[in-house]
Amino acid sequence: DTGVSQDPRHKITKRGQNVTFRCDPISEHNRLYWYRQTLGQGPEFLTYFQNEAQLEKSRLLSDRFSAERPKGSFSTLEIQRTEQGDSAMYLCASSESARSYEQYFGPGTRLTVT
Amino acid sequence: GQQLNQSPQSMFIQEGEDVSMNCTSSSIFNTWLWYKQDPGEGPVLLIALYKAGELTSNGRLTAQFGITRKDSFLNISASIPSDVGIYFCAGQRQSSGDKLTFGTGTRLAVRP
Repeated sequence: DTGVSQDPRHKITKRGQNVTFRCDPISEHNRLYWYRQTLGQGPEFLTYFQNEAQLEKSRLLSDRFSAERPKGSFSTLEIQRTEQGDSAMYLCASSESARSYEQYFGPGTRLTVT
Repeated sequence: GQQLNQSPQSMFIQEGEDVSMNCTSSSIFNTWLWYKQDPGEGPVLLIALYKAGELTSNGRLTAQFGITRKDSFLNISASIPSDVGIYFCAGQRQSSGDKLTFGTGTRLAVRP
């Protein structure tokens, strides 16, 4: 069990640029979640997948955000036309569907928009 | 978005002391979890609670699922320097799908 991995760990981009983050879940987990965490706050839910199906999206996920999990394994989160308010830690978590409450998090991608 | 209320916000304790923190909500949750987060890392799951009134231990950590299902408590016994970090509670309710709602965090610092 190698745990949840995320890439890159850090990303600095200029406002208006597009960025893409990748998450590789624990191999036997069929559920994958994306959360966003700003400084001094707890993580906030963005979206989740069961296998390749995206089952729920938060109102926090504006039209500039899109997430995919094409083969039910890794997932990507893309932010288009980044804004300074997008600066945050983007966390990925995974779980088994039968124990969806036990979510295991990756190390996160720290995004800084200048 | 909604965040659960955690108290205290931060605490300094002497190594070897016991620590208590709690988490409250205005609504009911079916599952409560406690996570620890170190700087620059993702949260690590410590304890999961599934039934109202349940008391669960993991080493020096003990957590309880409140009877009202609107709160949870975490105790750390005999604290050590590596307990430093931010502790988050999280709740899950069946009516809201599988997402976790997190607390605002309790920052723990230990004086050696």
